[in-house]
Amino acid sequence: DAKTTQPPSMDCAEGRAANLPCNHSTISGNEYVYWYRQIHSQGPQYIIHGLKNNETNEMASLIITEDRKSSTLILPHATLRDTAVYYCIVRVAGNFGNEKLTFGTGTRLTIIP
Amino acid sequence: GAVVSQHPSRVICKSGTSVKIECRSLDFQATTMFWYRQFPKKSLMLMATSNEGSKATYEQGVEKDKFLINHASLTLSTLTVTSAHPEDSSFYICSARKYLETQYFGPGTRLLVL
Repeated sequence: DAKTTQPPSMDCAEGRAANLPCNHSTISGNEYVYWYRQIHSQGPQYIIHGLKNNETNEMASLIITEDRKSSTLILPHATLRDTAVYYCIVRVAGNFGNEKLTFGTGTRLTIIP
Repeated sequence: GAVVSQHPSRVICKSGTSVKIECRSLDFQATTMFWYRQFPKKSLMLMATSNEGSKATYEQGVEKDKFLINHASLTLSTLTVTSAHPEDSSFYICSARKYLETQYFGPGTRLLVL
C-alpha cells in the first residue's frame, strides 16, 4: 500500500473548521484514501473514505486532489471532542477481502477552547 | 457505523499465565477480523488477520504460538496471549469487516502483566 505523510500535530480553535492534510504521492489507481481517528485510550473510529471524488458524511468532508496525490479531511465545526490522533491510510480494495490497514504516525489534532 | 466490542476492557495478570481477549461484531457478520497491538505513544501495529474458519495469517515477527487466534464464527474472534510476560503489556485492539467493506474497530483491551 502507498505510504502517507501527515503533519505530526495541529491546533484548531473550537468552532472553526479543522483542515487536516495528507500526502500520498505514490498512490495507485485502485487505492482508496481512508481516514480514522483515535481518541486517547480508545480504538480507532472510522471517519470517511474515498477513491477520487470528494466525499461528505455527517462527520467530515474529504477533498481529494485531481491527481489523487494528496487529500484533506475537513471537520467543519471542530469541538473539544474532536481532539484526537487522525490517521490517513491508503489501501487497495477488492483484494480478496484481506486488505490490511497500515497505520502511520498520524496527526495529533488539538482543539483549543 | 458497525459496532465491535471487546472483552475484557482491562486485564491484569501474573507473568506466566495466559489471557484470552474476545472480539465480537455485534450487528454484522465479519468475514475478516484483525488484531492490532499498540504501545504507549506509538501507532497501531497489525499482528494478524483471520478469516472465519481459517487459520490466522500472522505478520512478520509475531509469534503464532504465543498469540493464538481463533475465529470460530462470523461474529467472534479470540486472541489468547500464552505465557504472558511483562513485555506483552500493551493495548490490544481488534477490528472486523464484512467482505470488501470498511474495517470497524473495537474499544481495545489494556493488558498489564506483572
